[in-house]
Amino acid sequence: EAQVTQNPRYLITVTGKKLTVTCSQNMNHEYMSWYRQDPGLGLRQIYYSMNVEVTDKGDVPEGYKVSRKEKRNFPLILESPSPNQTSLYFCASSRGQWAKPNSPLHFGNGTRLTVT
Amino acid sequence: SQQGEEDPQALSIQEGENATMNCSYKTSINNLQWYRQNSGRGLVHLILIRSNEREKHSGRLRVTLDTSKKSSSLLITASRAADTASYFCATGDNAGGTSYGKLTFGQGTILTVHP
Repeated sequence: EAQVTQNPRYLITVTGKKLTVTCSQNMNHEYMSWYRQDPGLGLRQIYYSMNVEVTDKGDVPEGYKVSRKEKRNFPLILESPSPNQTSLYFCASSRGQWAKPNSPLHFGNGTRLTVT
Repeated sequence: SQQGEEDPQALSIQEGENATMNCSYKTSINNLQWYRQNSGRGLVHLILIRSNEREKHSGRLRVTLDTSKKSSSLLITASRAADTASYFCATGDNAGGTSYGKLTFGQGTILTVHP
């Protein structure tokens, strides 16, 4: 089954404790992206990747890191989480953006992160 | 206001009625997409309409796009309780450069369909 898999679904952590949220897709998609969703603010893009070893900042990249060493995986790293990073996070992927701009995104089921 | 703003913010209707949601945007776009989100879950793509199209249908969904007014509408006909969800429009930037391929989401319309 074609899907985007995020782990974990729920995560409660304390300020400053490094964490990684994993994201994997099995559709051979070139484009992957991370979003955070907050009440009243909608979905905001954190980082995106056009292809392996190519990443770029979205609208709210501060406090986050990403890597794209393999096509299928796009982990989101919070080196020193803070309470303002408490949010619902979504990973998404789509086909190559160069050949087919703005192809529909496939979303994971989300990771609800709480930082105390 | 933000790119891709939905209106109304919330809509409550009875089963069988039609639901219309609107989306306005500011910049030149490549395409506009509508997504659905069930509570706390990932978004699911519903339909994509390109900037040179005016109307598109998919099952009970009908999307219109008016590039002169920078607006789009999503109509769900004969709504069902299972249509209860949040609906988001997303605009594909046509500006090129680093925004090529980027989708910008609105804040969504919460639709509640009562049985």
